[in-house]
Amino acid sequence: GENVEQHPSTLSVQEGDSAVIKCTYSDSASNYFPWYKQELGKRPQLIIDIRSNVGEKKDQRIAVTLNKTAKHFSLHITETQPEDSAVYFCAASKSTGTASKLTFGTGTRLQVTL
Amino acid sequence: DGGITQSPKYLFRKEGQNVTLSCEQNLNHDAMYWYRQDPGQGLRLIYYSQIVNDFQKGDIAEGYSVSREKKESFPLTVTSAQKNPTAFYLCASTATGVAKNIQYFGAGTRLSVL
Repeated sequence: GENVEQHPSTLSVQEGDSAVIKCTYSDSASNYFPWYKQELGKRPQLIIDIRSNVGEKKDQRIAVTLNKTAKHFSLHITETQPEDSAVYFCAASKSTGTASKLTFGTGTRLQVTL
Repeated sequence: DGGITQSPKYLFRKEGQNVTLSCEQNLNHDAMYWYRQDPGQGLRLIYYSQIVNDFQKGDIAEGYSVSREKKESFPLTVTSAQKNPTAFYLCASTATGVAKNIQYFGAGTRLSVL
């Protein structure tokens, strides 16, 4: 089955700096790669996603890059703010009939300090 | 709650007891999923269902059971065979078509053992 590794497990940056979180996946058939933000005790919220036919996607301060050959994808957050502090999860999936099974990374706890 | 309602928010299980977690969605989504999240860990797939009266095991199905008698409902039973049930349980659903990869999560149920 799919295996997703995520690094680093914790990341501390100063407000205004950039943060980068990296993930690798094992199944070359995976074709969808979402990133979720989860605040303590809350549900995961989708913040950005990318499909395998695209190399990069940007949404304001957040961007995701995908390298299919190397089977890795990364989340980039620029101009970090205190409200960016949360746990971030990457995931990979491939379609199975009408379902889409996600395999998650183990998460990165991002702390933005003032 | 974004169209997916999980109840209860907190649940306590006694030794040898089966407990059922509720998940209801009004998004008219075909596919539904159950994930387990342990502290400091990513989400792991327990079961998923692509359509009414159909469901498949995920990566950690042992000690759990599900049913899908209605499109809107996908309850999860944690049986006495699950020896370490303490975790945060999240239900999700996906639409069909081009948006079928995007998973919408409920607010979760936190299960503890007495």
